Amino acid sequence: DSGVTQTPKHLITATGQRVTLRCSPRSGDLSVYWYQQSLDQGLQFLIQYYNGEERAKGNILERFSAQQFPDLHSELNLSSLELGDSALYFCASSPGSADSPLHFGNGTRLTVT
Amino acid sequence: GQSLEQPSEVTAVEGAIVQINCTYQTSGFYGLSWYQQHDGGAPTFLSYNALDGLEETGRFSSFLSRSDSYGYLLLQELQMKDSASYFCAVRGGGNKLTFGTGTQLKVEL
Repeated sequence: DSGVTQTPKHLITATGQRVTLRCSPRSGDLSVYWYQQSLDQGLQFLIQYYNGEERAKGNILERFSAQQFPDLHSELNLSSLELGDSALYFCASSPGSADSPLHFGNGTRLTVT
Repeated sequence: GQSLEQPSEVTAVEGAIVQINCTYQTSGFYGLSWYQQHDGGAPTFLSYNALDGLEETGRFSSFLSRSDSYGYLLLQELQMKDSASYFCAVRGGGNKLTFGTGTQLKVEL
């Protein structure tokens, strides 16, 4: 158990809809990362937060947004969903230093129909 | 930007040694990491190299050559449970942690 909690585990929704994915980091970790993994693909970096502030941004679509709250949990909002957004979305946390390993949650599997 | 290349698939027999290579291009460099992911599971951290040389952790070792922008993961005494995908990841400028596309390791009897 990595200590990172993601909810929900599975999400099935229709095109055009909006969903929110939630992540609770490991106790003491200040940094939260979001990654997208499509079928048989690598981990695509979306965005990173550190202690409530955005620290780094990847190829995150404008339809996607995220935030980290004062209690350090994070939410990833996906809107105007398309079939291609179907993927496994991982959250990871770390203490925040460059050499800190990431601890991943079990992911949220999103299916857009 | 950052990009990483690693082989898509490697096959080896139980008990053997296998090396998974990773070359990277990045503006700024803070370190190369390796992660393991079993089918549908969460990636788990294996090793981290910030300086040139070999880091050993049990059956797994990782090597880095910053001048060659190259690293590898060495797995010894392969076991069936080592069948998984292995990702190299580089932290570069902008503090992004970028992952490679992954190498699927198949361990056969």
